Amino acid sequence: GAGVSQSPSNKVTEKGKDVELRCDPISGHTALYWYRQRLGQGLEFLIYFQGNSAPDKSGLPSDRFSAERTGESVSTLTIQRTQQEDSAVYLCASSSETGGSGANVLTFGAGSRLTVL
Amino acid sequence: QKEVEQNSGPLSVPEGAIASLNCTYSDRGSQSFFWYRQYSGKSPELIMFIYSNGDKEDGRFTAQLNKASQYVSLLIRDSQPSDSATYLCAVNRYKLTFGTGTQLKVEL
Repeated sequence: GAGVSQSPSNKVTEKGKDVELRCDPISGHTALYWYRQRLGQGLEFLIYFQGNSAPDKSGLPSDRFSAERTGESVSTLTIQRTQQEDSAVYLCASSSETGGSGANVLTFGAGSRLTVL
Repeated sequence: QKEVEQNSGPLSVPEGAIASLNCTYSDRGSQSFFWYRQYSGKSPELIMFIYSNGDKEDGRFTAQLNKASQYVSLLIRDSQPSDSATYLCAVNRYKLTFGTGTQLKVEL
């Protein structure tokens, strides 16, 4: 597509429920990143995909968080048994660079705002 | 020590002045350096990136890199009220790591 598409744009859920957030990157972009941004805070790295594999998932805060990517395209971030501290905007970004010494210019989606009651 | 450090601000400058935003990083192996702008409630958007020591200019924006000092800066000349936003520094080695951002306010 023309840009990075994320859905849902807003999600309100009850504590303890599972949620799935979807990211559709720019067509042909091999690298895909997930970040979390709490209100008034910076971007917190969660996980990075190169193709369908995740060389770095060091930012996932707990085993309640998981992510996958298929077909070198769409990625899903799943949060199980949501907690109030999971409330944040979850940003997805993609890049045509392969990482390492590359320019790694990221294009961000509009984000998915998650509110856990 | 944080991987990428920025003063959170707010940094207030009058319209027409030069705004200077600073960033330090801890990983000496970092290879490329980015400045993103984020308006309130919006996603970050790229302003510019720099690889090599020295200055890189793009319109009203100049990025400066000093690898020996592990320091990156962004200068905004002729600051406008529309430049009021949070400016995020990001550093790339194997992944892109962001600082927490500096809030800039350009006052009339």
